[in-house]
Amino acid sequence: GENVEQHPSTLSVQEGDSAVIKCTYSDSASNYFPWYKQELGKRPQLIIDIRSNVGEKKDQRIAVTLNKTAKHFSLHITETQPEDSAVYFCAASMWGYSTLTFGKGTMLLVSP
Amino acid sequence: DAGVIQSPRHEVTEMGQEVTLRCKPISGHNSLFWYRQTMMRGLELLIYFNNNVPIDDSGMPEDRFSAKMPNASFSTLKIQPSEPRDSAVYFCASSSPMYVETVGYGYTFGSGTRLTVV
Repeated sequence: GENVEQHPSTLSVQEGDSAVIKCTYSDSASNYFPWYKQELGKRPQLIIDIRSNVGEKKDQRIAVTLNKTAKHFSLHITETQPEDSAVYFCAASMWGYSTLTFGKGTMLLVSP
Repeated sequence: DAGVIQSPRHEVTEMGQEVTLRCKPISGHNSLFWYRQTMMRGLELLIYFNNNVPIDDSGMPEDRFSAKMPNASFSTLKIQPSEPRDSAVYFCASSSPMYVETVGYGYTFGSGTRLTVV
């Protein structure tokens, strides 16, 4: 089955800096890669996703890049703000199949 | 839509007791998932249903865990007997039909049930 590795497990940045979280996956058949943000005590929420027919997707301060050859994808957050502090999860699946395999998560702390 | 609704939000029970967690998925979503979240193991898929039918229960820890989905709007996860190592946050999630090209396809999670077994 699919295996998703996520790094780093924790990331501390200063407000205004950029943050990058990286994930690798094992199953070359995977073609759908969402990212979830989980604030303390709350549910994971989808923030951005990408399918394998594109290499990059942006939404305001967040972007995701995908390298299918290397089987890795990354989340980029620019101009970080304290409210970006949360745990971020990457995931992978095959489009058309329901099950998402999640990474272990990255705790992002943005200091004012 | 009210989103995925889970109950109870918190449950404290004694070891050996039966625990039932409940979930109402988003109307129209045909897949439902139960996940367990702990610090050590992250988000673990326990079981998922497609059109009310259990498809993959390989993540269910052992026979003490069971899940049902009697109709499209309700699912339960039962632990009997409960043990302290079952303490975790249990999330239910649902997703829309896979063939629907919706923006932001993916799971919608419920608020979770924080289970503490003492």
